[in-house]
Amino acid sequence: GEDVEQSLFLSVREGDSSVINCTYTDSSSTYLYWYKQEPGAGLQLLTYIFSNMDMKQDQRLTVLLNKKDKHLSLRIADTQTGDSAIYFCAESLSGGYNKLIFGAGTRLAVHP
Amino acid sequence: ETGVTQTPRHLVMGMTNKKSLKCEQHLGHNAMYWYKQSAKKPLELMFVYSLEERVENNSVPSRFSPECPNSSHLFLHLHTLQPEDSALYLCASSQDRGGLVGELFFGEGSRLTVL
Repeated sequence: GEDVEQSLFLSVREGDSSVINCTYTDSSSTYLYWYKQEPGAGLQLLTYIFSNMDMKQDQRLTVLLNKKDKHLSLRIADTQTGDSAIYFCAESLSGGYNKLIFGAGTRLAVHP
Repeated sequence: ETGVTQTPRHLVMGMTNKKSLKCEQHLGHNAMYWYKQSAKKPLELMFVYSLEERVENNSVPSRFSPECPNSSHLFLHLHTLQPEDSALYLCASSQDRGGLVGELFFGEGSRLTVL
């Protein structure tokens, strides 16, 4: 069955880079996503990558995709305290609607 | 009002109670979802409605009963719940066939505690 796995916790120092990793199982996923959940809020789409791409950069965010290993990563450069949140990896499945399979989320804690 | 609104934000209920969670989206979307968020577990897709028809029901126990009266409103009716049903219930909406595939817009969630 479909499965998305990610580590549950990451702690980094302010100003350092954060790297959040994820593995997924469905090789036919068209898109892969990173969603962010701030305290007391719902999830919000942070960035996504099309499955035929290896890398996508968006300001401080870099997404790397290794299709062969079914591995997705999110790098946040110059991590700030405002980046403290839970980051969810997700893969899309076919179905005519937006069926997303999410991981358990990685809680990123940024300390001074 | 904008976005996706969920009420109530917090709910405490006994195992014999009947209650409902409400979700309203003001984005003009045509698909709505219920997800269950439990600590240290993957976000669990419960139900999907597309064009007001239920298209997904992920083996959810019958004590959870969804209702989608129109494209803007989604309910989750709860009865005879168990303590393990305590979780954050997230509603989301999207534009099926037209928006960015996989872009879901989430509400802030309803935190449910079953005693």
